[in-house]
This record gives sequence, C-alpha cells and structure tokens, in this order.
Amino acid sequence: GIQVEQSPPDLILQEGANSTLRCNFSDSVNNLQWFHQNPWGQLINLFYIPSGTKQNGRLSATTVATERYSLLYISSSQTTDSGVYFCAVEETSGSRLTFGEGTQLTVNP
Amino acid sequence: KAGVTQTPRYLIKTRGQQVTLSCSPISGHRSVSWYQQTPGQGLQFLFEYFSETQRNKGNFPGRFSGRQFSNSRSEMNVSTLELGDSALYLCASSQGQFWGYTFGSGTRLTVV
Repeated sequence: GIQVEQSPPDLILQEGANSTLRCNFSDSVNNLQWFHQNPWGQLINLFYIPSGTKQNGRLSATTVATERYSLLYISSSQTTDSGVYFCAVEETSGSRLTFGEGTQLTVNP
Repeated sequence: KAGVTQTPRYLIKTRGQQVTLSCSPISGHRSVSWYQQTPGQGLQFLFEYFSETQRNKGNFPGRFSGRQFSNSRSEMNVSTLELGDSALYLCASSQGQFWGYTFGSGTRLTVV
C-alpha cells in the first residue's frame, strides 16, 4: 500500500515563529488532507488539497502531486496551534485514507 | 449543518465483552468510514460503507465488524474484546470521491 511520511516528528516553537511541515507520499493520490488533532481527539480538517496551493488565515498548504509531497505552512504561530498535525492521502483506488505518523507541534508562550 | 456525531464519547468494557459504537454522518453524506487510533499503531483504517455496502476493509480480525443503515448511520461492533482494542475510534463521512472526509469527535474505548 501507499506510504506516507511526515517530518519533522516533533517541533517546538516560540509564539510568533513560522513553521513548515512536510508530507511525502509514495504513489499517486486522489485526495490529500491536512488535519489538526485537538486535545479531545477530534481530527479537524485544515485543507483538502490534492494539488495546488490554498490559504486559510495564518495557514497555507501546497501540494505538488507530480513530485508526491505536500507542505503545510503555519505563520505567526500561537499557543492554540499546539497539537498533532496529520497528513492523510486517499489512493486512486479510493474510499480509504492512509495517515502519516503526524507532527507533534508545541508552541510556547 | 450538523457535523459527524459519534456515540458514546467514552466507554469502559471488560475483556471478553462486546461493544457497539454508533456514527451519524453529515446529512447527505452516503460514505461512512471507521478508523482506530492507538499510540503504537497510529491511525488505521477499519472499513468503509457506501449505501449500506461495505466497499473497503482494512487489515483487522473478524472480531471487528460494521454495518450501515438506509439513513446512512453506521455502527461498528467489536466482539470478544481484548486489552489491545483500547483505542480512540474515529468515524468519518464523505459526499464521495474528491470531496474529502469530515471526522467525528471519536469514541474512546478502554478495555480492562
């Protein structure tokens, strides 16, 4: 099956700093999503981005499907950005997501 | 528009018992899928249902089963619970291919 690798596994920032999270995947995909898992366990959808670039406030994401990677940018980080960020892809065969191991982000005040 | 609703939020069961978890998808979403999250294995796909038919199944033992009703609500059942089944179980719904998935808040199952 498809492999999804996220880096870095852990990231510690000071409030106000910028960061880039990376997701590499091993095969063509129909769908790529970035999620933030809140302290209660819910996966909050940040971006649905199988290709191209999107922005939502301080967050933006870029997926280069031909090179099989995606980047999540967080600018001017806040303590509320802390948590685990997951990249998940849906293979072309469809109907299931494969998740990466996640990036644990800690933003200190 | 209401989100994906999972019940119950928390559950404690004894080894050997069985458990049923429920998921109500976003209105109009016909695809419901289930995932298990554990510290050791991360997020793993269990199965996916579309219009009451299981379309895809992950690599889990037969003790894990599910079904979907005509109103798209789904249940998953785990029989003969083992300690290793302790996990966060997440349900997701989707309008279909190319629409992305929306997750519920999860059911945290503890097996003692």
